Amino acid sequence: EAQVTQNPRYLITVTGKKLTVTCSQNMNHEYMSWYRQDPGLGLRQIYYSMNVEVTDKGDVPEGYKVSRKEKRNFPLILESPSPNQTSLYFCASSSPSGGGIGELFFGEGSRLTVL
Amino acid sequence: KQEVTQIPAALSVPEGENLVLNCSFTDSAIYNLQWFRQDPGKGLTSLLLIQSSQREQTSGRLNASLDKSSGRSTLYIAASQPGDSATYLCAVRRSSNTGKLIFGQGTTLQVKP
Repeated sequence: EAQVTQNPRYLITVTGKKLTVTCSQNMNHEYMSWYRQDPGLGLRQIYYSMNVEVTDKGDVPEGYKVSRKEKRNFPLILESPSPNQTSLYFCASSSPSGGGIGELFFGEGSRLTVL
Repeated sequence: KQEVTQIPAALSVPEGENLVLNCSFTDSAIYNLQWFRQDPGKGLTSLLLIQSSQREQTSGRLNASLDKSSGRSTLYIAASQPGDSATYLCAVRRSSNTGKLIFGQGTTLQVKP
């Protein structure tokens, strides 16, 4: 089954404790991206990757890191989480379409709480 | 800076009604626009993707139109059903060589039996 898998789905952690949210897709997509969703602010893009070893900042990259060492995986790293990073996080991937990026497929989300 | 707006934020209709959801964007120079559905506590599911060269796309009871010059897209849902209740989001991409995607805040639809 074609899917984007995120782990963990739920996490409660404390300020300053490094954590990684993994994202894996089995569709051989080149494009992957991370978003956070907050009430009243909607979905905002954190980072994206057009292909392996190519990453770029979205609108809210502060406090996050990513890496794209292989096509299927795109982990989101919070080196020193803070309470304002409490949010619902989504990973997405996409195949090319018409010379650009096509339909986006989303993971189920990871709800992170930083105390 | 591109801004994407969806009005209304919430909508409640009786079952069977045809309805239109709106998505407005401030910069008409877009590459494509995508409509999504999000159920509570779930991820987003892609509904329709419209390239900038297209006027509309259809999938079953859904029809999405795009008018770049006016900065507007609409999602038409025919013969609405309670199962259509969800939040509908639109997102625009500026160009083919950027991975940036700007989302609207969504319209939460409730279809009453």
